[in-house]
Amino acid sequence: AQTVTQSQPEMSVQEAETVTLSCTYDTSENNYYLFWYKQPPSRQMILVIRQEAYKQQNATENRFSVNFQKAAKSFSLKISDSQLGDTAMYFCAFMKFFRNYQLIWGAGTKLIIKP
Amino acid sequence: GAVVSQHPSRVICKSGTSVKIECRSLDFQATTMFWYRQFPKKSLMLMATSNEGSKATYEQGVEKDKFLINHASLTLSTLTVTSAHPEDSSFYICSAGDRGSGYTFGSGTRLTVV
Repeated sequence: AQTVTQSQPEMSVQEAETVTLSCTYDTSENNYYLFWYKQPPSRQMILVIRQEAYKQQNATENRFSVNFQKAAKSFSLKISDSQLGDTAMYFCAFMKFFRNYQLIWGAGTKLIIKP
Repeated sequence: GAVVSQHPSRVICKSGTSVKIECRSLDFQATTMFWYRQFPKKSLMLMATSNEGSKATYEQGVEKDKFLINHASLTLSTLTVTSAHPEDSSFYICSAGDRGSGYTFGSGTRLTVV
């Protein structure tokens, strides 16, 4: 069975700083997807970034980038030039590549950006 | 991008009554939708996978008769909480979309049973 672990329950940084959220996972699959979702106080789940395991290049979306280490089964999220609007819960999620559409979720990291 | 509309956003009902929550895919067809329950400050807990035209697949420990799921069309799935009790009070979220590009989530429904 797949598992996703987020070891940082809460983090806080000053506005404009860079912050990295960690995520590790366990799977015997070779092909899969990994995602980071953001849930602000409104509780709307928003996709931040995704990574296909077969791609070696780390995904990037503006200020958000990942460090995907397949052998280590690590998938960290880096937020550069953090903004107050980045304050949210961040969830790491895993999905099998074939057939199984279910997302396996980490416990989440509460990120607070301080002014 | 893909949009998922969920209604109502908030509902208060009396204990013993039933509540229906709707989840619609607005600009795409969703053969599969997912229903989650989220407790405060916790991660999402998958309740069931809703499949268009067939029975939903429920996760272990989720009562099928209490949480009725109907996926009658490619754009609509409904979750009905039957004979609701205070312990059913929670935040319910649906999602759908393409597994490759990442699922889109509804805005959630806060259910309060009094």
